[in-house]
Amino acid sequence: EPEVTQTPSHQVTQMGQEVILRCVPISNHLYFYWYRQILGQKVEFLVSFYNNEISEKSEIFDDQFSVERPDGSNFTLKIRSTKLEDSAMYFCASRAGDGTNEKLFFGSGTQLSVL
Amino acid sequence: GNSVTQMEGPVTLSEEAFLTINCTYTATGYPSLFWYVQYPGEGLQLLLKATKADDKGSNKGFEATYRKETTSFHLEKGSVQVSDSAVYFCALAPPGGKLIFGQGTELSVKP
Repeated sequence: EPEVTQTPSHQVTQMGQEVILRCVPISNHLYFYWYRQILGQKVEFLVSFYNNEISEKSEIFDDQFSVERPDGSNFTLKIRSTKLEDSAMYFCASRAGDGTNEKLFFGSGTQLSVL
Repeated sequence: GNSVTQMEGPVTLSEEAFLTINCTYTATGYPSLFWYVQYPGEGLQLLLKATKADDKGSNKGFEATYRKETTSFHLEKGSVQVSDSAVYFCALAPPGGKLIFGQGTELSVKP
């Protein structure tokens, strides 16, 4: 079965540093998402991306965050200047363009630790 | 607004025990409801779904019924196995909207 791939599985960084989390969505999918889960809390929506632009973002997704699909296969989440509270598990997801939310395929996540 | 509340974990059961994980929701309109599962080291996977009131979603022996009157979507399984140990997430999606998750419930099944 095709899968969404995320790298790295664990990322440790110093506060104030930039990090890039990488995702390779399923190849024929058109909609891409980032979610995150702070330890012990809910999985939170960050951003959705379609047709090379952001289609929706949450209040968490401020100017420190950006997303990019640089080469037609990767989908990246950049945090410009990390804060302690950015420590979380970040999930990438993708779906085909059939309009059904439930056919979301998730990656296994990147655990980001900001020290 | 839309939200999902799940019972607190971790839940620890013996093999072949009956499982219930409670999930209640708040939503405007008529959302679809889902259970996702995350096995250790893997991504979130759709376990089952229901798209309208009184629908029952089922998969791998798990069931959940969309109860509009009680705004609930409790997950049940009659006889759990060690391989069911995972984190279970209840979620909803309003029509055309994004997935909104609960906080997850960790299930640990002992032999």
